[in-house]
Amino acid sequence: NAGVTQTPKFQVLKTGQSMTLQCAQDMNHEYMSWYRQDPGMGLRLIHYSVGAGITDQGEVPNGYNVSRSTTEDFPLRLLSAAPSQTSVYFCASRIAGGTDTQYFGPGTRLTVL
Amino acid sequence: GENVEQHPSTLSVQEGDSAVIKCTYSDSASNYFPWYKQELGKGPQLIIDIRSNVGEKKDQRIAVTLNKTAKHFSLHITETQPEDSAVYFCAANTGNQFYFGTGTSLTVIP
Repeated sequence: NAGVTQTPKFQVLKTGQSMTLQCAQDMNHEYMSWYRQDPGMGLRLIHYSVGAGITDQGEVPNGYNVSRSTTEDFPLRLLSAAPSQTSVYFCASRIAGGTDTQYFGPGTRLTVL
Repeated sequence: GENVEQHPSTLSVQEGDSAVIKCTYSDSASNYFPWYKQELGKGPQLIIDIRSNVGEKKDQRIAVTLNKTAKHFSLHITETQPEDSAVYFCAANTGNQFYFGTGTSLTVIP
């Protein structure tokens, strides 16, 4: 199993540009989520999905869109990038339920100029 | 929502000594408390976890304790080694969401 994969690893955008961060998992996990990691702030939940066709907002959803058309994929879209969205983004997945182990991808480092 | 606080933010220990990292949480409904280790340039990796019906759990040199009444939980690493140097995060799970502490940068000095 490849586990949780993310592309790209690095990305530089200009303010106002849009892009999609890709996330895929091959463990047949129902639950997937996106976090952003900023210095001194830990990881904050952006959006999550408990299964195909179902998404919900986390702590910091503004400026981001998600969709879940398949169990395997959970892309994160930045609609109009802003410098405040400069961060490291992590995708994670787990089987389901609150007490299951969560597996993280390697991250995408995004810089918005 | 849940609020997780983590201390200290940085910790330096001599190789072979013990390290303790502490976290508190606010939501009494939280029932699962994982700890993650993050090495530079990588994603967080689960090292140990504890559920709300357990007070202590140990895995070789790593142990976690949970005090539900006081709403705090701690990570204990004994006989530290240089490869333990990393950033450690605690988290609390409430329903479908995980809330993370702000991290502890642990340095083990050879």
